[in-house]
Amino acid sequence: AQSVTQPDIHITVSEGASLELRCNYSYGATPYLFWYVQSPGQGLQLLLKYFSGDTLVQGIKGFEAEFKRSQSSFNLRKPSVHWSDAAEYFCAVGGAAGNKLTFGGGTRVLVKP
Amino acid sequence: KAGVTQTPRYLIKTRGQQVTLSCSPISGHRSVSWYQQTPGQGLQFLFEYFSETQRNKGNFPGRFSGRQFSNSRSEMNVSTLELGDSALYLCASSVSGETQYFGPGTRLLVL
Repeated sequence: AQSVTQPDIHITVSEGASLELRCNYSYGATPYLFWYVQSPGQGLQLLLKYFSGDTLVQGIKGFEAEFKRSQSSFNLRKPSVHWSDAAEYFCAVGGAAGNKLTFGGGTRVLVKP
Repeated sequence: KAGVTQTPRYLIKTRGQQVTLSCSPISGHRSVSWYQQTPGQGLQFLFEYFSETQRNKGNFPGRFSGRQFSNSRSEMNVSTLELGDSALYLCASSVSGETQYFGPGTRLLVL
């Protein structure tokens, strides 16, 4: 069975500081990995995805993520956060077309001025 | 291109009633998936439709059903509503199932 773990429920970071959100997954085949962001009362916005190839992927809003197969991890990073990055972030794993997305529990990011 | 749209955005129902939620995918997308989001259970997959056929189904009771039309629009129905069905229901569309783009959701409150 596929599963995703986001160990950090809440993270508080100062504006301008770097951010790293952890994600560990379990999947029996080659995983498709995603990071989504959700602002209060909104749907999910896709930040980036990894299917294959270069293990460091770039996304929107200055985010990047690194796939490490040996550690079953797909951590999200941003070098310098902005107040507008305050939101909840979800890591998800899926497979071939038609396979469901399995989400982690989410990490809520608070940005201090 | 317009994004995924969901109607209605907010809904209040009472226990025992039924509800139908609608989702219009991004133009050209043929796959529509539905998810339920609650504070306690997080994001859970309900089902996925592709070309009017249910291709995958999550672990929800039969009260939850869906369908997809020839124009790829999808509806989900919940019959005999329970208090625990209160949630944000999210629809996502994709070309054929890999990268899913989400709509704003329908927030359902069951009283």
